[in-house]
Amino acid sequence: EDQVTQSPEALRLQEGESSSLNCSYTVSGLRGLFWYRQDPGKGPEFLFTLYSAGEEKEKERLKATLTKKESFLHITAPKPEDSATYLCAVQANTGGFKTIFGAGTRLFVKA
Amino acid sequence: DAGVTQSPTHLIKTRGQQVTLRCSPKSGHDTVSWYQQALGQGPQFIFQYYEEEERQRGNFPDRFSGHQFPNYSSELNVNALLLGDSALYLCASSSGISNQPQHFGDGTRLSIL
Repeated sequence: EDQVTQSPEALRLQEGESSSLNCSYTVSGLRGLFWYRQDPGKGPEFLFTLYSAGEEKEKERLKATLTKKESFLHITAPKPEDSATYLCAVQANTGGFKTIFGAGTRLFVKA
Repeated sequence: DAGVTQSPTHLIKTRGQQVTLRCSPKSGHDTVSWYQQALGQGPQFIFQYYEEEERQRGNFPDRFSGHQFPNYSSELNVNALLLGDSALYLCASSSGISNQPQHFGDGTRLSIL
């Protein structure tokens, strides 16, 4: 069965304290891996798509990387406005084009 | 450029009732997917519509049904509401059926009493 597991469930950082969020996946053939940001009371906001192992994408303080078993979202020198829930999702060859989400990592950045 | 819009934003129903939620996709998008998100959880895929047909379905009972109109907008219908149906219902749109990212609306918060 295709699965996505995110860790940690919650992460508390001081402003400027860099860290990484993990997304482990078990799928029979990866079509694509997606990172989204979700603020309270809002829908997920698209951040990155990764399609093959070794691929990296970067945007401001965020960098996403992909291996054959997991993806990392690296946050460099975070600011309080980076506080949100970060969701990882995958599309697998066995699932057609339906998207499977992890439970998310809640990030809190304190000034 | 309008993004994905959903209505209503909040809804309160009682057990056994029926509900209809609506979604207008982002301009230029023709595919709509619906998700259920319980508090503290990630979104769960309900189904996807393309060319006015249900193309894929997640593990949801047939109390959950949908429709897509010629203008690509979509409705989610839930019959015989249960307490466990209380959740945030999200609509996402994309261009075609592919591995491209989806764009989400802000959802409808459904509460069942």
